[in-house]
Amino acid sequence: QKEVEQNSGPLSVPEGAIASLNCTYSDRGSQSFFWYRQYSGKSPELIMSIYSNGDKEDGRFTAQLNKASQYVSLLIRDSQPSDSATYLCAVSGSARQLTFGSGTQLTVLP
Amino acid sequence: EPEVTQTPSHQVTQMGQEVILRCVPISNHLYFYWYRQILGQKVEFLVSFYNNEISEKSEIFDDQFSVERPDGSNFTLKIRSTKLEDSAMYFCASSGTGVPEAFFGQGTRLTVV
Repeated sequence: QKEVEQNSGPLSVPEGAIASLNCTYSDRGSQSFFWYRQYSGKSPELIMSIYSNGDKEDGRFTAQLNKASQYVSLLIRDSQPSDSATYLCAVSGSARQLTFGSGTQLTVLP
Repeated sequence: EPEVTQTPSHQVTQMGQEVILRCVPISNHLYFYWYRQILGQKVEFLVSFYNNEISEKSEIFDDQFSVERPDGSNFTLKIRSTKLEDSAMYFCASSGTGVPEAFFGQGTRLTVV
């Protein structure tokens, strides 16, 4: 049974701060790692993908992957109130279907 | 920007009825998926579809469910004899042949009464 674990939160950070979201996964054969943002009542929106160990930066977002520790993280710099959402970690192997974590609810306080 | 579109946005059906949820994937994508999310729970994989056949399916995707690509643009999920516990958001997603990034439609909220 493939598992993806996330701290459910809620995580609250002040506006302008760095938000740090973490995820661990159980299947060592996992190849692709994603962060999705989900606003309440809406669909998951892809914000980052990462496939190899290390850091990947895109604007205010940085994804970090450590396959040896089976750990993925997402940093959001200069957090804005509009970043308030649930962040879903998702993992896939060769078969492409995504296994999602339960999500971390982030609130950015003005 | 290309997007996955789903219809209807909300469907209410009586227990035991059949429903068909419709999706138009991104036009140059070849992998299609259905996921569902019961209120307050994780997004769960149901089925993936490639080259006109099911490539993977989860334990949830039993004989009650079926998928079809009736033409060059639509991708449908049929749920036969709906049960109360089928009430959920159903998301269609698609991905291209290169990187496996999946893009989701806005979802269909299915309510079984």
